[in-house]
Amino acid sequence: DAGVIQSPRHEVTEMGQEVTLRCKPISGHDYLFWYRQTMMRGLELLIYFNNNVPIDDSGMPEDRFSAKMPNASFSTLKIQPSEPRDSAVYFCASSFIGTRGYTFGSGTRLTVV
Amino acid sequence: DQQVKQNSPSLSVQEGRISILNCDYTNSMFDYFLWYKKYPAEGPTFLISISSIKDKNEDGRFTVFLNKSAKHLSLHIVPSQPGDSAVYFCAASADTGNQFYFGTGTSLTVIP
Repeated sequence: DAGVIQSPRHEVTEMGQEVTLRCKPISGHDYLFWYRQTMMRGLELLIYFNNNVPIDDSGMPEDRFSAKMPNASFSTLKIQPSEPRDSAVYFCASSFIGTRGYTFGSGTRLTVV
Repeated sequence: DQQVKQNSPSLSVQEGRISILNCDYTNSMFDYFLWYKKYPAEGPTFLISISSIKDKNEDGRFTVFLNKSAKHLSLHIVPSQPGDSAVYFCAASADTGNQFYFGTGTSLTVIP
């Protein structure tokens, strides 16, 4: 298995632009999580899906953030408009019911200038 | 509010010595705990876990201890090796879904 695949690995964008981060979970996994890593808060859960349905989005910082999971093999996290304080590493992770623990992707390092 | 806390942002240890990384949690409903290891430019990878029905779990050089009354767990690495230099995250989950709460991480440096 190729693991959890995230793209792009790095993204540099200007303030005000729309940014879309992508994730392909491990086949067969029915949970998908989006995390953001910052120095101050560590790994912060933004939103998670179960069977493509958003379960908890209370961690999404603002309405500028949105996430979708149109099918079991793809999810996006969109920031519109982006701001410099959104600069962080964004991780996607997946798991399946019956196991406790995630497999993480390699992350997307977002820089908003 | 941070439900899982790692109060030491960094730790340096000599090669061959013991590394002890600490983690505290506030939610008494947490019943499963994980440690993840993260190298630069990579995603976190699973290291070791412990269920609340145990107080110790060992895997090679890595041992996790759980003190439920103190809401505290620790990861011991013996002997420490330079390749262990990484950021270590503690995570906890309650038996209500599959959501884990992570600490802020501790950066371990093992000095050759």
